[in-house]
Amino acid sequence: GQQVQQSPASLVLQEGENAELQCNFSTSLNSMQWFYQRPGGSLVSLFYNPSGTKHSGRLTSTTVIKERRSSLHISSSQTTDSGTYLCALGTGNYKYVFGAGTRLKVIA
Amino acid sequence: EAAVTQSPRSKVAVTGGKVTLSCHQTNNHDYMYWYRQDTGHGLRLIHYSYVADSTEKGDIPDGYKASRPSQENFSLILELASLSQTAVYFCASKTGGEQYFGPGTRLTVL
Repeated sequence: GQQVQQSPASLVLQEGENAELQCNFSTSLNSMQWFYQRPGGSLVSLFYNPSGTKHSGRLTSTTVIKERRSSLHISSSQTTDSGTYLCALGTGNYKYVFGAGTRLKVIA
Repeated sequence: EAAVTQSPRSKVAVTGGKVTLSCHQTNNHDYMYWYRQDTGHGLRLIHYSYVADSTEKGDIPDGYKASRPSQENFSLILELASLSQTAVYFCASKTGGEQYFGPGTRLTVL
């Protein structure tokens, strides 16, 4: 089965609303990284967060290893947050497995 | 600033032709990776390398070869391009557990 599952697959928000994106994994974790993929395709690293909670502006990432999950919280969403959010699980053999992504659309 | 660059940024190839995608990093990282992304999906690992002159198979290596002639350069080679290899290809380098990505190459095989 899939090692990394992201939910929801897609999400539509009104500007100003909050969002919680989930990444659940079925294998052991060495690292966890969240990316934002622009509509044009380029990838922006948001967080490298193998455990615990990290904050960056309106974004918060929380990884709980024993529960095999990581989340990305977006507060006060803006139209510029629209795009795809990907999580990547680093396994113990220097390989990475990506989730299929959450496609976010924020409307004014 | 440390960077990962890819060339070409886009390419149209004919079925059965040879395609080489190039990646260059100035991060001084040991690990480098090649991924492909199909429309509406996440990234899948094709090949990776942890040292010059050595490459390892990823999860979907069939139909692809890789070459790491130096620490800075990592190439992906499609000897006989097929329609199913139409995708966006990303290169990355890694330090610790964190990956740094190039801008991607959009490959269309006709």
